[in-house]
Amino acid sequence: AQTVTQSQPEMSVQEAETVTLSCTYDTSESDYYLFWYKQPPSRQMILVIRQEAYKQQNATENRFSVNFQEAAKSFSLKISDSQLGDAAMYFCALGRGQGAQKLVFGQGTRLTINP
Amino acid sequence: DAGVIQSPRHEVTEMGQEVTLRCKPISGHDYLFWYRQTMMRGLELLIYFNNNVPIDDSGMPEDRFSAKMPNASFSTLKIQPSEPRDSAVYFCASRGSGNTIYFGEGSWLTVV
Repeated sequence: AQTVTQSQPEMSVQEAETVTLSCTYDTSESDYYLFWYKQPPSRQMILVIRQEAYKQQNATENRFSVNFQEAAKSFSLKISDSQLGDAAMYFCALGRGQGAQKLVFGQGTRLTINP
Repeated sequence: DAGVIQSPRHEVTEMGQEVTLRCKPISGHDYLFWYRQTMMRGLELLIYFNNNVPIDDSGMPEDRFSAKMPNASFSTLKIQPSEPRDSAVYFCASRGSGNTIYFGEGSWLTVV
């Protein structure tokens, strides 16, 4: 079975500080993708960053970066210079199957930014 | 480019009524997905299509739910008859040649 676990239901950080959100996963497949999605109060699911399992180099998108540890099946998200607009639910997702057709989501982490 | 477009954004209906949710995927995308989000179960994949053909509907909860994709630019998710436990946010999403799935803004369904 494919599973994704986010062990932090809630996190908070001071504006301009750095925060790391944790995610672990389990899969028996060798070809898979990992994603972080952001869900603000509007409930829209917004892609933050993605990582191909076959790439050892960690993905980076501006202030967002990941720490992908395949052996440990860990995929954490680091947000640098946190901004008020970063406040949202963050979901880690595992894309499985050819071309990552099916996404399995974690339970989410609610991130609060303190001004 | 326009993203995934869903309608209606919000719907309140009475138990027993038919509900139809609509989706227009991103142009050129050949995969379309329907997800449901609830507090209890989180985000669940209901069904997905490839080139308008349903590939996996194992997530559809029961026979009251049906989905169609008559052409590459339109899909519907229908619930008949609706029940209060169907209240959720329903997301449509699509994927093209890359491996990233893009979501619509969701349809908030409340069944009273």
